[in-house]
Amino acid sequence: DADVTQTPRNRITKTGKRIMLECSQTKGHDRMYWYRQDPGLGLQLIYYSFDVKDINKGEISDGYSVSRQAQAKFSLSLESAIPNQTALYFCATSETPGENIQYFGAGTRLSVL
Amino acid sequence: EDQVTQSPEALRLQEGESSSLNCSYTVSGLRGLFWYRQDPGKGPEFLFTLYSAGEEKEKERLKATLTKKESFLHITAPKPEDSATYLCAALGGSNYKLTFGKGTLLTVNP
Repeated sequence: DADVTQTPRNRITKTGKRIMLECSQTKGHDRMYWYRQDPGLGLQLIYYSFDVKDINKGEISDGYSVSRQAQAKFSLSLESAIPNQTALYFCATSETPGENIQYFGAGTRLSVL
Repeated sequence: EDQVTQSPEALRLQEGESSSLNCSYTVSGLRGLFWYRQDPGKGPEFLFTLYSAGEEKEKERLKATLTKKESFLHITAPKPEDSATYLCAALGGSNYKLTFGKGTLLTVNP
């Protein structure tokens, strides 16, 4: 089984719908992250969490929210999806203290029509 | 603002033809330079971390090096299975935020 699991792997939704992407990890890491990847662009950080009670905005948080339900679970929500949120979304984890290596899930491909 | 630039954007090699990928960075207080491999439809897979200028790390046909301004990923005698997008990322003084480059798409033809 994968150490960082994302569900769903693919999702098609309509403009205005609320959608949740889920991430769970078995690595026992404290830190979790949500990234977005668009063609021709680098990975961009949406939100990050250092522990269950510590959640922070990244560089592109507008239109997104997150919930850290437990050390192992970190969910990303799109409150009202819009077409330019069509992208690949990745969850990642890292250990504290440690080498700051981030380990990524397989991603969710989201299409907003 | 931290920046990471990778070149070339795409590289096509014949099997066995060695080459290098470049990653130049502008990061205040570099804490680490990371290389990842990404296959189509998959998440980035960690390859190497480099922490100080002059450091080198090797794994099979790949060798990563670091200077004060750039990092290189050398690929020696590549095979078709090395085809992937290679991502470079820098960790700055914030100690959490990785700044990623846009990647180099490597294709190795048999």
